[in-house]
Amino acid sequence: LAKTTQPISMDSYEGQEVNITCSHNNIATNDYITWYQQFPSQGPRFIIQGYKTKVTNEVASLFIPADRKSSTLSLPRVSLSDTAVYYCLGYNNNDMRFGAGTRLTVKP
Amino acid sequence: DTEVTQTPKHLVMGMTNKKSLKCEQHMGHRAMYWYKQKAKKPPELMFVYSYEKLSINESVPSRFSPECPNSSLLNLHLHALQPEDSALYLCASSQPSARGKVGELFFGEGSRLTVL
Repeated sequence: LAKTTQPISMDSYEGQEVNITCSHNNIATNDYITWYQQFPSQGPRFIIQGYKTKVTNEVASLFIPADRKSSTLSLPRVSLSDTAVYYCLGYNNNDMRFGAGTRLTVKP
Repeated sequence: DTEVTQTPKHLVMGMTNKKSLKCEQHMGHRAMYWYKQKAKKPPELMFVYSYEKLSINESVPSRFSPECPNSSLLNLHLHALQPEDSALYLCASSQPSARGKVGELFFGEGSRLTVL
């Protein structure tokens, strides 16, 4: 299962686009990449998932290059309420393990 | 209904007590998970049940005993815990990987456990 590495923290300002990159050099053929958001004292919440290329939904985009050794979560026009911890996970079957996460702080 | 319900929300217990944490979902999910989360740390996988059978046990001490009595319920029985076991215990559910939208875990709000 992919071991993931992310920046520990990031700062941004309201209205900016935020890109959080996750490194997963040992990703296996069957691993998917999934991103979660967590607010204090709440369970994590699913954001987006992908296997390769680009995936977009109503809240984010996920870019995975051809070698799949990294992925980038893109949050368009962040607001103060996007301040949270963001986790990328390598996923295979039901084995869902969280990496250290990136603490994003959005400032006014 | 897209909720995972965990009870109790808060639990304080002594090291000699026996207590249980409960988790319930009615989304028809057949995979259920227990995670442990300490402050400012990521959730740490403890157990995974798939179709009511234990499929992953992350070498968790025997003082934590999981149980999946049916496809909607997941329990975590606690006995002889240590103060360092104090944490937020999160339950989650998902479709098994072979069906539907893989990888999307639905989490409960957690049970905050304090061991005195």
